[in-house]
Amino acid sequence: AQSVTQLGSHVSVSEGALVLLRCNYSSSVPPYLFWYVQYPNQGLQLLLKYTSAATLVKGINGFEAEFKKSETSFHLTKPSAHMSDAAEYFCAVSPASSGTYKYIFGTGTRLKVLA
Amino acid sequence: DAGVIQSPRHEVTEMGQEVTLRCKPISGHDYLFWYRQTMMRGLELLIYFNNNVPIDDSGMPEDRFSAKMPNASFSTLKIQPSEPRDSAVYFCASSFSSGNTIYFGEGSWLTVV
Repeated sequence: AQSVTQLGSHVSVSEGALVLLRCNYSSSVPPYLFWYVQYPNQGLQLLLKYTSAATLVKGINGFEAEFKKSETSFHLTKPSAHMSDAAEYFCAVSPASSGTYKYIFGTGTRLKVLA
Repeated sequence: DAGVIQSPRHEVTEMGQEVTLRCKPISGHDYLFWYRQTMMRGLELLIYFNNNVPIDDSGMPEDRFSAKMPNASFSTLKIQPSEPRDSAVYFCASSFSSGNTIYFGEGSWLTVV
C-alpha cells in the first residue's frame, strides 16, 4: 500500500525567504514521486518528478526536491520565495512498475507569500 | 500542443438533475483519469481507463456516478441524479503508457443546489 503525508496544510513565508514544503511517503515498492502546483481556479501542473534517476530533482520556477530513501521523504524547496509562488502544492506517489496508475495524492499544502 | 480539455468549466444545477462532464485527453495518451477535489476529502481518483477500457472504478462513490470512454479522444462522467454533496471540482487527466506523468485539465466546477 502507498500513502503520502504532507506536513502542514498551510505554510507562510516572507518574500525572498526559503520555501520548504514537506512530504513523506510510504510505499512497499520503489516509488515514483511527484510535486504538482495548483494556482487558484486552475488545474494541477507538474512541478517536478523523481523516477529513480538523480535523487536531487530540479523543476520549474526554481523549485527542487530531494529523494531521501532513508527518511522516506521528498521535500520541496525553493531558495527565495516570490509572490507568484502563492498556490497549493500537492505531493503524489505512484508505484514504479508498469500496469498500475493509482497515483496517491497528499492533502496539499497552501503556500502564502508575505510581502 | 493542446492540453486536456474539459467542459463545462462551471456548472450550477438543481438537485435531482443529470450532470454530464466531458473530457478530451491529450492526443496519443492512452490513459485517462477522472478525479474529484473537495475541501474535505482532497483529490480522489474516481476511475481510470486504459485504451478506452475502464480499469479501476473502485473510487466511484455510488451508482449515481458513471463514466464512459467511447473512443480515444472523448470521455464523459455522468451523475444522475445529482445531489448537493456532489458539489466539487472534477478533473480529467491523461497520461502516456510509457511515461509516468499525469496531465490535468482545468477542471469542471460543479455546484448542486
